[in-house]
Amino acid sequence: QSALTQPASVSGSPGQSITISCTGTSSDVGGYNYVSWYQQHPGKAPKLMIYEVSNRPSGVSNRFSGSKSGNTASLTISGLQAEDEADYYCSSYTSSSTEFGGGTKLTVL
Amino acid sequence: QVQLVQSGAEVKKPGSSVKVSCKASGGTFSSYAISWVRQAPGQGLEWMGRIIPILGIANYAQKFQGRVTITADKSTSTAYMELSSLRSEDTAVYYCARDGGVTRTFDYWGQGTLVTVSS
Repeated sequence: QSALTQPASVSGSPGQSITISCTGTSSDVGGYNYVSWYQQHPGKAPKLMIYEVSNRPSGVSNRFSGSKSGNTASLTISGLQAEDEADYYCSSYTSSSTEFGGGTKLTVL
Repeated sequence: QVQLVQSGAEVKKPGSSVKVSCKASGGTFSSYAISWVRQAPGQGLEWMGRIIPILGIANYAQKFQGRVTITADKSTSTAYMELSSLRSEDTAVYYCARDGGVTRTFDYWGQGTLVTVSS
């Protein structure tokens, strides 16, 4: 059982927008602005897509955006493309560890 | 460009230990922390612990306390993760990742090391 709750799967058609939620508590997501999002293609290492809730690393498309409200963080992908199909994980700082969500499989229809 | 290169796949017997290495290049090794994250087959990511090489201080996820040891050799820019008392449930891909410190942002990852625990 992961500490952070994500939907198991989401889907969308090319060009559409989707949002993946990540729900925690006031001890993790709600307590700090240290939420990250990672993309993982099959057989590959995770790739950082969003850090500190809403910041994009250099080289990450501006189609990816992050936000947070209370104990829930969200990743939005706009203008869906076939290559966005992957697993997505959120993570959050806590005072004693780092927690991950269970992951969300994004299918591009 | 920062690169983290991990040691190769391992097959271990239950009850034994495994030590995985992670060699960093292209950055200042001691300026960051290194975290270890594992992923069991078909499962999600699980944080195991981290080390701050410049301080030599490690902290571990409660689940792995007493079974995992993370060390770092500043002279070779290499971090190590040793897991003992292996059981079949420890079969997983083990990743090292550069850890941005307070923010716990993992911006660079190793390629992963498959550890298989089987009798």
